[in-house]
Amino acid sequence: DAMVIQNPRYQVTQFGKPVTLSCSQTLNHNVMYWYQQKSSQAPKLLFHYYDKDFNNEADTPDNFQSRRPNTSFCFLDIRSPGLGDAAMYLCATSRDGTDGYTFGSGTRLTVV
Amino acid sequence: GENVEQHPSTLSVQEGDSAVIKCTYSDSASNYFPWYKQELGKRPQLIIDIRSNVGEKKDQRIAVTLNKTAKHFSLHITETQPEDSAVYFCAATSGGYSTLTFGKGTMLLVSP
Repeated sequence: DAMVIQNPRYQVTQFGKPVTLSCSQTLNHNVMYWYQQKSSQAPKLLFHYYDKDFNNEADTPDNFQSRRPNTSFCFLDIRSPGLGDAAMYLCATSRDGTDGYTFGSGTRLTVV
Repeated sequence: GENVEQHPSTLSVQEGDSAVIKCTYSDSASNYFPWYKQELGKRPQLIIDIRSNVGEKKDQRIAVTLNKTAKHFSLHITETQPEDSAVYFCAATSGGYSTLTFGKGTMLLVSP
């Protein structure tokens, strides 16, 4: 009965090779978020969508892009992964942005 | 933007003791304060939250208090158990229709 599903759970990619992480939700929530979490650190917001409206955080590198083709799916594209991009990437949803988030299980990205 | 400070970074208690984690926030307009528990390698899970029109909220062994004047809120766990061991994150809303800013986390260790 997982409600926010991230695929894959573990992703290994080569330095500089584009990679896409996916997130799907069955909650019909309006807002979807992508967070980056490095070891022993707090989750850091990369961007979010309210419906189709895209909101980029000021300090999110241009290397990171996102797509939300419909309510249920959201993708994180890393165009040229560097070693510093190795992290857990967490997708989260919220009904309308005024309540708690539901997180997916995350994708742990390794860059080799 | 919002800034959330969380203390302590590590907290060790004996089973049965109480644990208190404290957070302060900077944006006086913040109105929603959730707490998340994250076990190693797992997703953050919402354990309790409080809105700015309430001073305290309890759920069994967990309680959260909010002091709007001082801009701080605290998580209280009573009768701690080893399964309470995890990293706890506080968060606060920050602008717009609420994107959460997280504190840096507290690693709680409960020894049997």
